Amino acid sequence: NAGVTQTPKFRVLKTGQSMTLLCAQDMNHEYMYWYRQDPGMGLRLIHYSVGEGTTAKGEVPDGYNVSRLKKQNFLLGLESAAPSQTSVYFCASSWTGGQPQHFGDGTRLSIL
Amino acid sequence: AQSVAQPEDQVNVAEGNPLTVKCTYSVSGNPYLFWYVQYPNRGLQFLLKYITGDNLVKGSYGFEAEFNKSQTSFHLKKPSALVSDSALYFCAVGGNNRLAFGKGNQVVVIP
Repeated sequence: NAGVTQTPKFRVLKTGQSMTLLCAQDMNHEYMYWYRQDPGMGLRLIHYSVGEGTTAKGEVPDGYNVSRLKKQNFLLGLESAAPSQTSVYFCASSWTGGQPQHFGDGTRLSIL
Repeated sequence: AQSVAQPEDQVNVAEGNPLTVKCTYSVSGNPYLFWYVQYPNRGLQFLLKYITGDNLVKGSYGFEAEFNKSQTSFHLKKPSALVSDSALYFCAVGGNNRLAFGKGNQVVVIP
């Protein structure tokens, strides 16, 4: 049972490039989340989804877009990467907003 | 909006001594409270939660947490720390379909 899988695990981009981070969960969870983790900042919510076809903005949504076309997948896109988006990105999923979230192992993204 | 404060950046404790990691929260309505642990280069792992019921919640790996409504606190505790407990610990409060995380506490258990 894989849980939450994030791809890729590492990526280096140049400023202005675009990319998509993929999150897949096999637990049939309704809710999915994208966070970024920066030193001393904890986890900050970028976007989240409460079900297939839905998305909502979190705490730091600027510069990112998301899509939830299938229940098991939640994609995070960077249209024009900036050095300030260098971070570790985590995806998580849960049954509901009040239940524990299950996390992937992260994508380490560097933007030069 | 909900928020969490973890006042200490790092907690040092000798192996075998009691471990406490502090957390205070702010939320309208009844709180959903969580503790997670993160090991290097890994995602967060769920330790325990409080939603309702007994104020003392028991979780994984011998950890427990005490909910105190009057002090709006949810401190994480372990009676006897192990070197393997060295990790980053996050408190989180739920509301509006999402969690708000604290900045985390680095716990260092000294052999």
